[in-house]
Amino acid sequence: AQSVTQLDSQVPVFEEAPVELRCNYSSSVSVYLFWYVQYPNQGLQLLLKYLSGSTLVKGINGFEAEFNKSQTSFHLRKPSVHISDTAEYFCAVSEVPGTASKLTFGTGTRLQVTL
Amino acid sequence: NAGVTQTPKFQVLKTGQSMTLQCAQDMNHNSMYWYRQDPGMGLRLIYYSASEGTTDKGEVPNGYNVSRLNKREFSLRLESAAPSQTSVYFCASVSLYTQYFGPGTRLTVL
Repeated sequence: AQSVTQLDSQVPVFEEAPVELRCNYSSSVSVYLFWYVQYPNQGLQLLLKYLSGSTLVKGINGFEAEFNKSQTSFHLRKPSVHISDTAEYFCAVSEVPGTASKLTFGTGTRLQVTL
Repeated sequence: NAGVTQTPKFQVLKTGQSMTLQCAQDMNHNSMYWYRQDPGMGLRLIYYSASEGTTDKGEVPNGYNVSRLNKREFSLRLESAAPSQTSVYFCASVSLYTQYFGPGTRLTVL
């Protein structure tokens, strides 16, 4: 069975600084990888996904992530954060083959952007 | 399009009471999911429905039942609520490996 580890439960950062949110996964088969964002009192929405092809994936709001198969990682990055990026970020994985839409989520990283 | 809608938004129950959480989507998606979100635990899958007429257990199904009423609607029922079921519940529908989430139902069981 697959699993996802987000080691940082909280990441404080100043506005306009770069940020990296770490995600490592474990699986015995090929995987699809996802990052979702949750703003306060809302549901989750997709930031970006890796299914195949280029290992550098660009998403919405200036975020990008890189799939590293040898390190089983899918870290999320943004070169310059804004106050509005304050939210909780979830990494998720699904195994291929299988029920491809069935996701396992990490425990989340709360990104706090301050002035 | 409304996307995924959930009712109610908030609910307080007493231990032993029953209730049904409603979810509907207008995107013509085949697959729908129910999750619960607890602090520090991420989202955990309760039940899912890969297509109309089918349902399967997820990671934490105990104490819950589901009904896929039609392609649009997927309801979650708590037959006898327990304090351990205090949580935020999210419904999602799926297309092309992307899950579209509803706004959630915040449930408190006293």
